[in-house]
Amino acid sequence: DSGVTQTPKHLITATGQRVTLRCSPRSGDLSVYWYQQSLDQGLQFLIQYYNGEERAKGNILERFSAQQFPDLHSELNLSSLELGDSALYFCASSVDSGRPSTIYFGEGSWLTVV
Amino acid sequence: AQSVAQPEDQVNVAEGNPLTVKCTYSVSGNPYLFWYVQYPNRGLQFLLKYITGDNLVKGSYGFEAEFNKSQTSFHLKKPSALVSDSALYFCAVKREYGNKLVFGAGTILRVKS
Repeated sequence: DSGVTQTPKHLITATGQRVTLRCSPRSGDLSVYWYQQSLDQGLQFLIQYYNGEERAKGNILERFSAQQFPDLHSELNLSSLELGDSALYFCASSVDSGRPSTIYFGEGSWLTVV
Repeated sequence: AQSVAQPEDQVNVAEGNPLTVKCTYSVSGNPYLFWYVQYPNRGLQFLLKYITGDNLVKGSYGFEAEFNKSQTSFHLKKPSALVSDSALYFCAVKREYGNKLVFGAGTILRVKS
């Protein structure tokens, strides 16, 4: 158990809908990362927050957005969903940002868009 | 920009034999290098990391990795493979003082008894 908690574990929704994925980082970790894992794209970095502020942005679509709240939990919002958004979405956390601290991953949220 | 190459989609090894999973990287400046393992329907589990110092890094479950700066490689090794080591292995690199951890495509390790 990495200590990173993600909900829901599985989600099935229809095209055009909007979903929210939730993440609680490890106790004491200030950085939260979101990754997307799909068969064709592999593990893609989406976005990182550090202590409530956006710190780095990767291949995140404009239809997707994220935020980190004062209690450090984070949410990833996916809207106008398409079939191609079906993937495993990981949240990860680390103590700090640019330093070489280990990044720990949650179990992921399986999203299926039908 | 940083990148990671894992040249083998799959590595097959017999139980008890040594195993190596290859990884090469490209990054400006000093790299921070990581190995993660993913079991079916599970999240990524941290195995080990190289930050600085000794080029041979020891990690969880008997795994180790050797950092080679001249060859820009960070191969994962284990002296004696177990069937339970069968999983998907990812190498990842982070630029010094950078934020983004970039992953390779992953290598499936199959250990046969």
